[in-house]
Amino acid sequence: NAGVMQNPRHLVRRRGQEARLRCSPMKGHSHVYWYRQLPEEGLKFMVYLQKENIIDESGMPKERFSAEFPKEGPSILRIQQVVRGDSAAYFCASSPVRSGIYNEQFFGPGTRLTVL
Amino acid sequence: TQLLEQSPQFLSIQEGENLTVYCNSSSVFSSLQWYRQEPGEGPVLLVTVVTGGEVKKLKRLTFQFGDARKDSSLHITAAQPGDTGLYLCAGALGSGGGADGLTFGKGTHLIIQP
Repeated sequence: NAGVMQNPRHLVRRRGQEARLRCSPMKGHSHVYWYRQLPEEGLKFMVYLQKENIIDESGMPKERFSAEFPKEGPSILRIQQVVRGDSAAYFCASSPVRSGIYNEQFFGPGTRLTVL
Repeated sequence: TQLLEQSPQFLSIQEGENLTVYCNSSSVFSSLQWYRQEPGEGPVLLVTVVTGGEVKKLKRLTFQFGDARKDSSLHITAAQPGDTGLYLCAGALGSGGGADGLTFGKGTHLIIQP
């Protein structure tokens, strides 16, 4: 059973460009979460999505950041007009839907974004 | 303000020693998870605790959830070099039974010297 997959693993962008990060959840998982990890800081929750729906985006910056999880295909985290402060590791996690049981989150290997 | 405080931040001990790391908060969590993260990789789930006072064992690792569900500890017996890594605690503030974004501590960097 393949784990959570993220690509690319490393992404380099110049200031002002767009970054697209992809996440394929584990088989059978329909919940996807995105987190950001800045150097010397803990992981910070950004957004929680189910298929075609954003459930909670309270941790996502209001500008330049967007996320989607279409009916078909991976979840996408999109950062427009990147700035140096966006340089970080971005992690995706997925969880299954099992009524009455806490949905544990399983993480992918992350995408390391570097903005030059 | 960090919602989940982990201590110590750094710990370096000799192989064979025992250790305990702590995860504390003033908030009540519906569940708490411990992860281990290697450099350049994503966190790997070790355990989930959901009931106040719950104790779970995973080989030489013992996890405890506080009675009030505000704190947790991880105890490692006879530490080995393979235990080296970043240990993260993460809690869910929601009502439980559902899916919530997790709140993470900054982690404990553990080094076990041979």
